[in-house]
Amino acid sequence: AQTVTQSQPEMSVQEAETVTLSCTYDTSESDYYLFWYKQPPSRQMILVIRQEAYKQQNATENRFSVNFQKAAKSFSLKISDSQLGDAAMYFCAYRRAGSARQLTFGSGTQLTVLP
Amino acid sequence: NAGVTQTPKFRILKIGQSMTLQCTQDMNHNYMYWYRQDPGMGLKLIYYSVGAGITDKGEVPNGYNVSRSTTEDFPLRLELAAPSQTSVYFCASSSTGTADTEAFFGQGTRLTVV
Repeated sequence: AQTVTQSQPEMSVQEAETVTLSCTYDTSESDYYLFWYKQPPSRQMILVIRQEAYKQQNATENRFSVNFQKAAKSFSLKISDSQLGDAAMYFCAYRRAGSARQLTFGSGTQLTVLP
Repeated sequence: NAGVTQTPKFRILKIGQSMTLQCTQDMNHNYMYWYRQDPGMGLKLIYYSVGAGITDKGEVPNGYNVSRSTTEDFPLRLELAAPSQTSVYFCASSSTGTADTEAFFGQGTRLTVV
C-alpha cells in the first residue's frame, strides 16, 4: 500500500518570504502522480500543483513550485513571496496511474503567514 | 457551474441513529469518492465508484454503505452512528479522460455523533 508522510505538522513564514513544505511517499509503482492541495478555513480542497512521475522537470504554478526527487521519493512544495492568503492546511497526495484515481493523502502541514 | 454539491453542511447525530449524506455532481464524471477527514489528519478513502452500479471499498469502509444508481449521485449511508464517525466528510469526482485531470471536491459535511 502507498503511504504519504508529511513530517511538519506546522510551519510559519513571514509575509513576502519563501517557505518549503516537505513530503515523502512510499510506493512500488513507477508511474504515478503527486499533488499538493490547499485547504483554507472554508474547508474547500483546492489543487495547488501536480507532478507527473514520468516528467523530470519540476512543475511550477506562479509562486508555487515543487522539488520532485523520484529516487528519494520526495516531493516538496516551495511557496515564494508568501501572502496572507496562503495561510492554510496543505496536503500532499499520491495517485497511482491507471487506477480509479483514488488519492492517498498525507496528514497535512498547517501554514501560518506572519504579517 | 455547481460542480460537486454535498448536503447537509453540518449535522449532529445521536449514537445509534442513521443518516444519508448526499452528493451530486453535474460534470458527468464517472469516478466518485467519499473521504473522511479526522481532526488534524489527512483525508482517508471510505468508498469509491467508477460508474453507475459499481462501487468498491476504500481504506476505511466499516460502518458505511454507498450506492450509485446514477452517474450524478453518490450517497453515503451511515447506519448505527458511533462517536468514532465524528469527522468531516468530503465527496469528490473525477473524469476518465486520458489527460490527467484533477479531483473536484465538495464543500464537506461536518458530522458530530454524540
